[in-house]
Amino acid sequence: AQSVSQHNHHVILSEAASLELGCNYSYGGTVNLFWYVQYPGQHLQLLLKYFSGDPLVKGIKGFEAEFIKSKFSFNLRKPSVQWSDTAEYFCAVNAGGTASKLTFGTGTRLQVTL
Amino acid sequence: SAVISQKPSRDICQRGTSLTIQCQVDSQVTMMFWYRQQPGQSLTLIATANQGSEATYESGFVIDKFPISRPNLTFSTLTVSNMSPEDSSIYLCSVLQGAGANVLTFGAGSRLTVL
Repeated sequence: AQSVSQHNHHVILSEAASLELGCNYSYGGTVNLFWYVQYPGQHLQLLLKYFSGDPLVKGIKGFEAEFIKSKFSFNLRKPSVQWSDTAEYFCAVNAGGTASKLTFGTGTRLQVTL
Repeated sequence: SAVISQKPSRDICQRGTSLTIQCQVDSQVTMMFWYRQQPGQSLTLIATANQGSEATYESGFVIDKFPISRPNLTFSTLTVSNMSPEDSSIYLCSVLQGAGANVLTFGAGSRLTVL
């Protein structure tokens, strides 16, 4: 069965700092990859996704992620974070073509300070 | 994108009781999905609710504990039966969206606390 690891559980950054959140998955076949974000008091929202093609994908609010197949990784990046980026970020994978069956990481809580 | 409404948004329940969570979608969808997010853990798929047939449960989840109804293409319920404190979680309803119906969209969730 596939699994997803998010190594950073809690990250604290100052505004304008650069962000990189790690995500590694274990599955040898074709995967679809996602990052979801949950802002305080709000529901889970899709940040970006990768299905195929260019391994560097851009999402909303200036976020991007790079799929590196050889490393089984899909790290999330943002060059300059804002206080409003304070949220919990979840990496997720679906494998084997079952779109509904996402395997989620345990999440990374990002706290951006002014 | 579809709007997913869940009720209740939160509740505090006594051990041994049951609670039914409702999920309403503003468009017709073939499948609806129920996830659980336990405190400090990731989301886990409980079951898939199909209209006109029985729900399909994932390993570790059974119908007696989590009965699901799907009376039409816009509505589903999940019941958490005979609750214990270990059932304290956020329960989320979701549907597939996107051009290829390959992206999950989630409701706001129902936060259950079992005392």
